[in-house]
Amino acid sequence: GAVVSQHPSRVICKSGTSVKIECRSLDFQATTMFWYRQFPKQSLMLMATSNEGSKATYEQGVEKDKFLINHASLTLSTLTVTSAHPEDSSFYICSARDREELNYGYTFGSGTRLTVV
Amino acid sequence: GDSVTQMEGPVTLSEEAFLTINCTYTATGYPSLFWYVQYPGEGLQLLLKATKADDKGSNKGFEATYRKETTSFHLEKGSVQVSDSAVYFCARRGYNQGGKLIFGQGTELSVKP
Repeated sequence: GAVVSQHPSRVICKSGTSVKIECRSLDFQATTMFWYRQFPKQSLMLMATSNEGSKATYEQGVEKDKFLINHASLTLSTLTVTSAHPEDSSFYICSARDREELNYGYTFGSGTRLTVV
Repeated sequence: GDSVTQMEGPVTLSEEAFLTINCTYTATGYPSLFWYVQYPGEGLQLLLKATKADDKGSNKGFEATYRKETTSFHLEKGSVQVSDSAVYFCARRGYNQGGKLIFGQGTELSVKP
């Protein structure tokens, strides 16, 4: 079945530094990738939608200069948290949509726990 | 706007009890509907889905039927196990922005032996 690999699974960084999270579709081509943020005991909050080769579409209230998304190929999207601060600490999850299963092919990565100290 | 509403948790059951987690949605038309499960510290796994009215999705003993009359997609399982303890999310597919998923707030299930 479809697999999405997300790395790293956990990262601790110092305040003011940048962190990059990778999301790869291993056995399918992803026309669209989604990035979510999840706070403890809460639902997933969509941050942005990215399509290969074009700029990401950010949800209202999400700072695009802080959360940089690059979807350079059909199998890789990256989220870079720039100048991270403790309030950016969260669980980030990516999801990829299979171009061959446009109706219901969503596969999620295993998530990245970001802690900013 | 389009939304998904789930029953609030946490839900605590004894092993072998019957499970129902309610989910209702608002939408124009008939969106695809999903149930996802999240185990602690992990991403989401698709549990089951239904793409049109009256479809029944099923997997691992879980079932949900797409009811257009009541705009519902309730999750059921006849006999839960301790290993079913997790957070369950109901979701519908949106029509805009590449068909993003719209999630309910999640329902935490705890099954005691």
